[in-house]
Amino acid sequence: AQSVTQLGSHVSVSEGALVLLRCNYSSSVPPYLFWYVQYPNQGLQLLLKYTSAATLVKGINGFEAEFKKSETSFHLTKPSAHMSDAAEYFCAVRYSSASKIIFGSGTRLSIRP
Amino acid sequence: KAGVTQTPRYLIKTRGQQVTLSCSPISGHRSVSWYQQTPGQGLQFLFEYFSETQRNKGNFPGRFSGRQFSNSRSEMNVSTLELGDSALYLCASSSSGPDAYEQYFGPGTRLTVT
Repeated sequence: AQSVTQLGSHVSVSEGALVLLRCNYSSSVPPYLFWYVQYPNQGLQLLLKYTSAATLVKGINGFEAEFKKSETSFHLTKPSAHMSDAAEYFCAVRYSSASKIIFGSGTRLSIRP
Repeated sequence: KAGVTQTPRYLIKTRGQQVTLSCSPISGHRSVSWYQQTPGQGLQFLFEYFSETQRNKGNFPGRFSGRQFSNSRSEMNVSTLELGDSALYLCASSSSGPDAYEQYFGPGTRLTVT
């Protein structure tokens, strides 16, 4: 079955440190890949997306993600964490515009002062 | 362009009652999806409507139903509410053009069942 795995339900980093949130998908066919962010009591906001163009994708708020087909991964990174990055992050896959989106279980990112 | 709107934002109901939630998609979007989010189960897909037809369905009991109107607005209904139905219900819309795979989310409706 198609699935998305996010390693680490909670990640804590110091302000200014590198942020790395891991996402792996299970599929032999590269899907569309997304990262969403959710702040408390809000809906999900699209951070970035992979659509089979460039493998390194830049998103909003300084985040980027690299699609690695050989590793079936789409990890999210940010060089320098900011306090405002504290939120829950969801990785998601979709195989066509007519199929449902499959979400990972989410990773809560905490930023230490 | 206005974003996805959901009404009401907060709702308190009693066990056994029924509830209807509303979602207005981004103008021009024809697909609306519904999700249930709880701390224990995470984000779970309920169903998707496209041009007034249910296109995808998740694994929820028949107490959960939805519909979409000709203007693409969608409603979700939950009958015979249970305590476990307390959750944040999110709606998302997609276009039918080249970016049809992207979903844009509303702020959600927080349902509390007592």
